[in-house]
Amino acid sequence: GQNIDQPTEMTATEGAIVQINCTYQTSGFNGLFWYQQHAGEAPTFLSYNVLDGLEEKGRFSSFLSRSKGYSYLLLKELQMKDSASYLCAVRFGYSSASKIIFGSGTRLSIRP
Amino acid sequence: DGGITQSPKYLFRKEGQNVTLSCEQNLNHDAMYWYRQDPGQGLRLIYYSQIVNDFQKGDIAEGYSVSREKKESFPLTVTSAQKNPTAFYLCASSIEYRDSNQPQHFGDGTRLSIL
Repeated sequence: GQNIDQPTEMTATEGAIVQINCTYQTSGFNGLFWYQQHAGEAPTFLSYNVLDGLEEKGRFSSFLSRSKGYSYLLLKELQMKDSASYLCAVRFGYSSASKIIFGSGTRLSIRP
Repeated sequence: DGGITQSPKYLFRKEGQNVTLSCEQNLNHDAMYWYRQDPGQGLRLIYYSQIVNDFQKGDIAEGYSVSREKKESFPLTVTSAQKNPTAFYLCASSIEYRDSNQPQHFGDGTRLSIL
């Protein structure tokens, strides 16, 4: 199968750093997306990784290890508005035969 | 502003009734998608369309139907054959299906409930 695994829930403190992990089966891997989704709203794009390493975008960074089938989203200087679900999505396959599979999401709660 | 518009935001269906969810985009995107989201679960793909006048079944197409007669529109019909339709439905689009580094843009969703 092409399961995407993420922790269901996490809690962190305002101003701190949190790392949300995502693991997937490596066969056919062709890119990984992270989205943020506030309750009852549309997911919004955060980052994309297809090569190994760290991609940094302000307070958010995303890391990928293709050989390990592993990614993480790192959120720094946490703010209350960062309370949301974070979805990991992996593209498997190529061209018109490719398919994007979403994880169940990690619900992040920020406490003051 | 460019974006994706879903309507209505809330929809109620009686038993045995078909309902249609609207999705319109003005981003000039070729590819469009319909997902279903249930509590505690990820987005599951219902149908997708790579280009106008073409669409394919996703992982959970049974009880649903779509059309793609215009590039900007991809309506989803939830038929009476769908026995558990209560869910949050999300429409998305992307520049093209095959361009792997382009993210999907999502609408605000339609929450469908059974009366």
